[in-house]
Amino acid sequence: EAGVAQSPRYKIIEKRQSVAFWCNPISGHATLYWYQQILGQGPKLLIQFQNNGVVDDSQLPKDRFSAERLKGVDSTLKIQPAKLEDSAVYLCASSLVETGVAEAFFGQGTRLTVV
Amino acid sequence: GENVEQHPSTLSVQEGDSAVIKCTYSDSASNYFPWYKQELGKGPQLIIDIRSNVGEKKDQRIAVTLNKTAKHFSLHITETQPEDSAVYFCAATNNDMRFGAGTRLTVKP
Repeated sequence: EAGVAQSPRYKIIEKRQSVAFWCNPISGHATLYWYQQILGQGPKLLIQFQNNGVVDDSQLPKDRFSAERLKGVDSTLKIQPAKLEDSAVYLCASSLVETGVAEAFFGQGTRLTVV
Repeated sequence: GENVEQHPSTLSVQEGDSAVIKCTYSDSASNYFPWYKQELGKGPQLIIDIRSNVGEKKDQRIAVTLNKTAKHFSLHITETQPEDSAVYFCAATNNDMRFGAGTRLTVKP
């Protein structure tokens, strides 16, 4: 079974630029998560989708972050404009069960550096 | 929303010793508690999980206990090996998954 795919693996941008990350979850997984992991900290949930609907985006800085899940499969996370404090690893995860109470499988993440 | 606290932040043990990591959560409605291991440059990987209707679960050298009344759960690793060295995260789930800050475990040979 293929895992969660994320791209790019690494990205370096200047502050005020925009950036987008892509995630392809495991086939058939209804729930998709985006997490932000700052160095030395635990993953922080940004947004959770069930199919193509948003379940929780309470911690997403909506003035600069946006996310969508196309046709309930792939997802993109965008930052515009980026700030220095956005430097982090962005992790995508997916799980099979719609309730979210199930194992979440993580991708390798995209490491973003804002300079 | 859910708040998860994890202790200790770092833990160093001798190979063969046991390691214990503890977490507390705030939302009494949380009903699923996974533990993840994260190695450098990789995404977190599930090592064990427990649901709220179970008090203890064991898988070879790894065990997890859950005290719903006190709202805390713990990870126990016995007979530690150098390859157990990593960062471990607990999480609590009530529809969405919230993580603790992590414990860096070092197993010295």
